Amino acid sequence: QSALTQPASVSGSPGQSITISCTGTSNDIGDYNYVSWYQQHPGKAPKLMISDVYNRPSGVSSRFSGSKSGNTASLTISGLQAEDEADYYCMSYTSGNTLYVFGTGTKVSVL
Amino acid sequence: QLQLQESGPGLVKPSETLSLTCTVSGVSFSRDNSYWVWIRQPPGKGPEWIGSIYFSGSTFYNPSLKSRVTISLDTSENQFSLRVRSVTAADTAVYYCARIVYQHVDLWGLGTLVTVSS
Repeated sequence: QSALTQPASVSGSPGQSITISCTGTSNDIGDYNYVSWYQQHPGKAPKLMISDVYNRPSGVSSRFSGSKSGNTASLTISGLQAEDEADYYCMSYTSGNTLYVFGTGTKVSVL
Repeated sequence: QLQLQESGPGLVKPSETLSLTCTVSGVSFSRDNSYWVWIRQPPGKGPEWIGSIYFSGSTFYNPSLKSRVTISLDTSENQFSLRVRSVTAADTAVYYCARIVYQHVDLWGLGTLVTVSS
């Protein structure tokens, strides 16, 4: 089971919007609405930002939103802030030979 | 307070067995739709799901690790454990215990770095 594909890096200026893509296959993202997104600051554990493609857990800023089209899921961060600088990973349930597959990770930089 | 805490040796010799324990506090093991999982993250890389255990004791493992991994549960101590046999340098990673509910990870431990080296 290969990792989901994410861009290595995405950057933006404060206040701008950025979108991170996460591309999988018909065995995972394409067939299930079980895509989640995690934010990870250096030396810290990942933090859940989006579950089930669109759902934002309590306490997560409304600036974070998720979507999906075909085999690709996306995370959009609007009104980019310095504190958003971190690594972001997607994860999906899969009918492949593993139950869960993570993305390759995207480093978000705030210019 | 909901909390997961990993414990175990930070250094393991090649060919030996890596053993970690996760202590769970503030949450019930028997919650429906919850799976207790181990996830690892090699330095500079993305996370990798190792395996899951349900409160009934049913286990699911990543096929790439299945021949070397055992996950077990001790409900009386509110702990679950990971054993990885015959480790190599490729097993060097930060190991996280976590909870998966409705197919997403909603609780993570702080993580513990395990280095495989002689």
